[in-house]
Amino acid sequence: AQSVAQPEDQVNVAEGNPLTVKCTYSVSGNPYLFWYVQYPNRGLQFLLKYITGDNLVKGSYGFEAEFNKSQTSFHLKKPSALVSDSALYFCAVRDLSNTGKLIFGQGTTLQVKP
Amino acid sequence: EAGVAQSPRYKIIEKRQSVAFWCNPISGHATLYWYQQILGQGPKLLIQFQNNGVVDDSQLPKDRFSAERLKGVDSTLKIQPAKLEDSAVYLCASSPLRGPYGYTFGSGTRLTVV
Repeated sequence: AQSVAQPEDQVNVAEGNPLTVKCTYSVSGNPYLFWYVQYPNRGLQFLLKYITGDNLVKGSYGFEAEFNKSQTSFHLKKPSALVSDSALYFCAVRDLSNTGKLIFGQGTTLQVKP
Repeated sequence: EAGVAQSPRYKIIEKRQSVAFWCNPISGHATLYWYQQILGQGPKLLIQFQNNGVVDDSQLPKDRFSAERLKGVDSTLKIQPAKLEDSAVYLCASSPLRGPYGYTFGSGTRLTVV
């Protein structure tokens, strides 16, 4: 079965420092991987996706993610964190069985302190 | 383009009452999803429609939850009777195809069962 894991419930980082939010996946075949962000009382917003091609994927708001097939990881990164980046982040994998549904990790809360 | 519309934004009901949520997906999106997001967890798929047919409802508690998609456009999700553990945010999402696309999510309906 397809799954993703986010090993950290919360990540704390100082404003201006680089940030990493970790995600590992388990799929059969080639993965379609996604990152979403959720601000309080809002729906999920798409950040970026990996389908194929370059292992470094660039997305919205200066975020990027690195696909690593050997480590089955898809970590979200940003070179310089902003206080406004504080939110809940979800990694997801698209189930390429007959339904194509998105399967989400449990989420990581990012706290950026001034 | 207009986003995914959901209503109501908030709902408080007593246990054993019934409640209904409404979703209007992005125009032309064939696939519609209802997810349940319990506080502190990642979203869990309840039901997936392709046009007006059900593709996946394996995690829908069918003894109390029901959903329909009228004419392949709008959708309603109903809970009857509600239980305390149904307190969650109910997210609707749509996507154009089952291909390598991310979903567009609505803002969600926060349900509190007391």
